[in-house]
Amino acid sequence: NAGVTQTPKFRVLKTGQSMTLLCAQDMNHEYMYWYRQDPGMGLRLIHYSVGEGTTAKGEVPDGYNVSRLKKQNFLLGLESAAPSQTSVYFCASSISPISGNTIYFGEGSWLTVV
Amino acid sequence: AQTVTQSQPEMSVQEAETVTLSCTYDTSENNYYLFWYKQPPSRQMILVIRQEAYKQQNATENRFSVNFQKAAKSFSLKISDSQLGDTAMYFCAFLSRRYGGSQGNLIFGKGTKLSVKP
Repeated sequence: NAGVTQTPKFRVLKTGQSMTLLCAQDMNHEYMYWYRQDPGMGLRLIHYSVGEGTTAKGEVPDGYNVSRLKKQNFLLGLESAAPSQTSVYFCASSISPISGNTIYFGEGSWLTVV
Repeated sequence: AQTVTQSQPEMSVQEAETVTLSCTYDTSENNYYLFWYKQPPSRQMILVIRQEAYKQQNATENRFSVNFQKAAKSFSLKISDSQLGDTAMYFCAFLSRRYGGSQGNLIFGKGTKLSVKP
């Protein structure tokens, strides 16, 4: 049981490049989330999904796109990376958080945009 | 919209002593969860303790306990017998249980950096 796995763990991008972060969970969870963490800040929600084929915007969605084509995977895309997107990105998943089920976090992905 | 405030950016405590981290939140809802997460230097997010708003009894997990004051919207974390391994960032978080609301999104405070000194 791998839990929540994020790929890649580290990446350096040049301004304007694109990339995709992959979040995979093997727990058959419906709910999946992408957060970013910046210095001096808590985690802030970028996008989330409540099931396969669904996505929705969170608090800081600008500059990001997401897709949930398969239930186990939640992809976060940066079409044209900017230095302001330098951050640590966390994926999370749960069966149903509002029912009291545990929210599992990935180990984080460090992204630097130069 | 809900907000979570942690007013102590940094704190320190001597090993074996007790320390309390503060958290206040703002919401108009009655049904929600509150959490404390620990983030050590590895950046892993570790759930420390959870409190359900409808439960009057304060949650405890070994050396960790909370003081939940619903009317005051306060949710502090007490760490007893502090250990060097408790050194970490601690985040307070809010989760609404209202269906059709935030869909299980956690709302985090900015964190308190705790250092346990030998």
